[in-house]
Amino acid sequence: GAGVSQTPSNKVTEKGKYVELRCDPISGHTALYWYRQSLGQGPEFLIYFQGTGAADDSGLPNDRFFAVRPEGSVSTLKIQRTERGDSAVYLCASSLGTSGGGELFFGEGSRLTVL
Amino acid sequence: GEDVEQSLFLSVREGDSSVINCTYTDSSSTYLYWYKQEPGAGLQLLTYIFSNMDMKQDQRLTVLLNKKDKHLSLRIADTQTGDSAIYFCAENYGQNFVFGPGTRLSVLP
Repeated sequence: GAGVSQTPSNKVTEKGKYVELRCDPISGHTALYWYRQSLGQGPEFLIYFQGTGAADDSGLPNDRFFAVRPEGSVSTLKIQRTERGDSAVYLCASSLGTSGGGELFFGEGSRLTVL
Repeated sequence: GEDVEQSLFLSVREGDSSVINCTYTDSSSTYLYWYKQEPGAGLQLLTYIFSNMDMKQDQRLTVLLNKKDKHLSLRIADTQTGDSAIYFCAENYGQNFVFGPGTRLSVLP
């Protein structure tokens, strides 16, 4: 596609439920990032993929959070036993993955509300 | 750990210049970035500067980098109402990117 696509754009769930958020990056981008943005704050790093492997998952807050990218393209962020504090906008970004940084292309985010 | 700081709000009149400031912590960052986020939209890269540069100009935008003080600024000349948005400073930390809290720029007519 032309840009990074995230689905769903909005998700309302109840405390304790399981949630999956999907990211479809720009074709050919090897690097994929998940960030979380709470109201009034900047994006907070969660996990970074280079190809199929998680190169850095140090930002995942606890073991309820997990992400996969099985074929090196689409990624799914999975949240188990959701808590009210998980409510935020989850942003996905992709890049060409060149060394030393590079432009991140962001999706519009998935807004998660945990009641 | 890495920490990027910015003032949270800035208000200017249309036609004036805006200056948004940022301090960062990682002296090994290769690039420093300014991203713009409009309401309901994703972040979009506005401009960036390579760490061995002092200044970069791109039309109405001027980026100044003081590497000794780890201080980055973004100047927007002739600010327009369409410039109203949240501006995020970011540094790359290896292959990761660390963002500041964002500065909300309000442009008054």
